[in-house]
Amino acid sequence: DSGVTQTPKHLITATGQRVTLRCSPRSGDLSVYWYQQSLDQGLQFLIQYYNGEERAKGNILERFSAQQFPDLHSELNLSSLELGDSALYFCASSPREGRTEAFFGQGTRLTVV
Amino acid sequence: EDQVTQSPEALRLQEGESSSLNCSYTVSGLRGLFWYRQDPGKGPEFLFTLYSAGEEKEKERLKATLTKKESFLHITAPKPEDSATYLCAVQGGGATNKLIFGTGTLLAVQP
Repeated sequence: DSGVTQTPKHLITATGQRVTLRCSPRSGDLSVYWYQQSLDQGLQFLIQYYNGEERAKGNILERFSAQQFPDLHSELNLSSLELGDSALYFCASSPREGRTEAFFGQGTRLTVV
Repeated sequence: EDQVTQSPEALRLQEGESSSLNCSYTVSGLRGLFWYRQDPGKGPEFLFTLYSAGEEKEKERLKATLTKKESFLHITAPKPEDSATYLCAVQGGGATNKLIFGTGTLLAVQP
């Protein structure tokens, strides 16, 4: 158990809908990262927050947004969902900026039908 | 642009047959190279961090090494429970800690 908690574990929704994925980082970790993993691609970096502030953006679609709250948990909002958004979404956390490894949650499997 | 390439894409070994996985990278200002293990449908599990060329880390049957252009994950006398996808990632310079991942090596160890 990495200490990173993601909910829900599975999510099935229809095209055009909006969903929210939740992540609680390890105790004391200030950085949260979101990654998308689909079958034909590896882990793709979406976005990073550090202590409530956005730090970096990767290949995140405009239909997707995220935030990190004062208690350091984070939410990833996906809207106007398309079939191609079906994937595993992972959250990871790390304690500080600089050279440090990230610990991953067990992911949310999103299926868009 | 930072890039990570892993080879082979898939590897099948007999139990006890040692081998190595390769991770070659292009990154500006390497701050760290990371190895993860991922089981199907699960999150990546952290294995090692390597920071500078010449560094080596070991854990049970796994040993990771780093040069200026690539890293190797050596698996000695593997067991079936070592079967998983092994992911390599790099952390480059800049204000972010984001990891850039390779597509992984799917390892199958047969008894």
